[in-house]
Amino acid sequence: AQKVTQAQTEISVVEKEDVTLDCVYETRDTTYYLFWYKQPPSGELVFLIRRNSFDEQNEISGRYSWNFQKSTSSFNFTITASQVVDSAVYFCALANNDMRFGAGTRLTVKP
Amino acid sequence: ETGVTQTPRHLVMGMTNKKSLKCEQHLGHNAMYWYKQSAKKPLELMFVYSLEERVENNSVPSRFSPECPNSSHLFLHLHTLQPEDSALYLCASSQAHHPGGVGNQPQHFGDGTRLSIL
Repeated sequence: AQKVTQAQTEISVVEKEDVTLDCVYETRDTTYYLFWYKQPPSGELVFLIRRNSFDEQNEISGRYSWNFQKSTSSFNFTITASQVVDSAVYFCALANNDMRFGAGTRLTVKP
Repeated sequence: ETGVTQTPRHLVMGMTNKKSLKCEQHLGHNAMYWYKQSAKKPLELMFVYSLEERVENNSVPSRFSPECPNSSHLFLHLHTLQPEDSALYLCASSQAHHPGGVGNQPQHFGDGTRLSIL
């Protein structure tokens, strides 16, 4: 069975702090894809990143970085120097022949 | 401006009503999805149309009926809904590489329809 766990329900930080959102997944497939999406208060989910199971290289995009580790089945997301505009619900997702989302982590960045 | 448009944005209906949610994508994608987002629950994938083939989802009650007349339009027909069906219904689209499969490509989401069942 496929499963995505985001253990952190809510996180609150002060602007400029670094914050890491955890994602742990379960799958028996050897080929799969991992995603992170951002859902701001407006409601629309916005795609952030996709990783396939054969590419464990970490990625950095501006203040965002992702750490994919197959050994621990984790795909964690770090925001460096957080800003108020980063406040949103962040979802981790696993896809192959099915699509599973985690429950989401609500991030609040206070000024 | 989003490439995936959902109408209406809000819908209030009684349990005996029949209504339809509409989704349209302008991104040239060939797969479309319906999701249900309830409070404090993960997004639930309800239906997928990929390369004009519908992926069945047996866990979705029959009071929800999808329709995909072409690759750009997707409907969700609703009838005899229950109060627990109140939720945000999100439509998404993506490129798909094989029929019947859930796309491994990034999905583009609409703003959703907030549905309330009285």
